[in-house]
Amino acid sequence: GAVVSQHPSWVICKSGTSVKIECRSLDFQATTMFWYRQFPKQSLMLMATSNEGSKATYEQGVEKDKFLINHASLTLSTLTVTSAHPEDSSFYICSARETYNEQFFGPGTRLTVL
Amino acid sequence: SQQGEEDPQALSIQEGENATMNCSYKTSINNLQWYRQNSGRGLVHLILIRSNEREKHSGRLRVTLDTSKKSSSLLITASRAADTASYFCATGLGDMRFGAGTRLTVKP
Repeated sequence: GAVVSQHPSWVICKSGTSVKIECRSLDFQATTMFWYRQFPKQSLMLMATSNEGSKATYEQGVEKDKFLINHASLTLSTLTVTSAHPEDSSFYICSARETYNEQFFGPGTRLTVL
Repeated sequence: SQQGEEDPQALSIQEGENATMNCSYKTSINNLQWYRQNSGRGLVHLILIRSNEREKHSGRLRVTLDTSKKSSSLLITASRAADTASYFCATGLGDMRFGAGTRLTVKP
């Protein structure tokens, strides 16, 4: 299957700082990318859907000003957690797909906000 | 929002036994997928079953789908300690929605 990478795999930051997470499709062009958040021992919750070149669509309850998503190219989407707080500590997983094709998941990024 | 619920939430069995996990969903679907996630890791795609299929096999995995009951089951036969993980069902090809997951522990 296709490969999706995330960087960094883990990050620790101080409260109030911003953190950027990258999601890349390595061997295909991802017209759509998805961002999920997973708290310990819980399921994945879809945060937002982004299509290349357009604004992301956020799920209800997800603050778009706090979780900035940019999908500037067909192989890269970024999620920036702005003014992070301890409650933002979570496992963030991206996925990517070509048009109408299977969705592939990245390995996840563990964010810890102190 | 989540699509549905997995049952049971946690399952502990001995190596060699079979493990059955169930998933219920709320809306009409075109397909349903099962994923595995080892602790703190990404998702591994296990199997996709389409809405017009009732059963599908892949190695030691057997998935059934009952669209009239909006439910699916995943059976792992002859379980191994390496099968210890969380298992999720998910619906949709686009904005995929995940169930709550079943945490499976296989004791050696």
